[in-house]
Amino acid sequence: DGGITQSPKYLFRKEGQNVTLSCEQNLNHDAMYWYRQDPGQGLRLIYYSQIVNDFQKGDIAEGYSVSREKKESFPLTVTSAQKNPTAFYLCAGAGGIRQPQHFGDGTRLSIL
Amino acid sequence: GESVGLHLPTLSVQEGDNSIINCAYSNSASDYFIWYKQESGKGPQFIIDIRSNMDKRQGQRVTVLLNKTVKHLSLQIAATQPGDSAVYFCAGMNTGFQKLVFGTGTRLLVSP
Repeated sequence: DGGITQSPKYLFRKEGQNVTLSCEQNLNHDAMYWYRQDPGQGLRLIYYSQIVNDFQKGDIAEGYSVSREKKESFPLTVTSAQKNPTAFYLCAGAGGIRQPQHFGDGTRLSIL
Repeated sequence: GESVGLHLPTLSVQEGDNSIINCAYSNSASDYFIWYKQESGKGPQFIIDIRSNMDKRQGQRVTVLLNKTVKHLSLQIAATQPGDSAVYFCAGMNTGFQKLVFGTGTRLLVSP
């Protein structure tokens, strides 16, 4: 099955801990994106990458970091600097900038 | 900046009726729009997109209408089915920008 695969589905973070969310794609998409979704709000862009070894901050990048060492993978690290990390995190990929973004099924992060 | 919003947080329809979900955007430079469907606990699913050089685009049981004069777009779902129950998001992108801006979503409830 082709698509965007996110793992884990549920993740718990302890105080002061960094956690990494996985996003893998086998669609050969150049562009990949990370969004955060809070109840009652639309998706907000955290980071995006248009090509391997390059990425840009989105609207709410503080407290997050990413890497894009391989085309297939775009992991997101939620650092201890992110004081309100509880949210639903969504990864997406697209064949180009004005192409539809296709999403994974998300990771729900909660605080212990 | 750009803002994209939906007119109603909830829309209730009867099975078999046609549904119309509305969305407004603020920036006249927006030139690409996407509609997504999101079911509970899942990532958004691409429905249909439209570029600003078009006024209408049709898919399977869905039609998107774009009115650039009043900066409004709508998603029409024909013969709505219980499986159409979900939250629907519109998203827009500006010329020269590289990111989608999402609205807050309309929850469609379909009763038998």
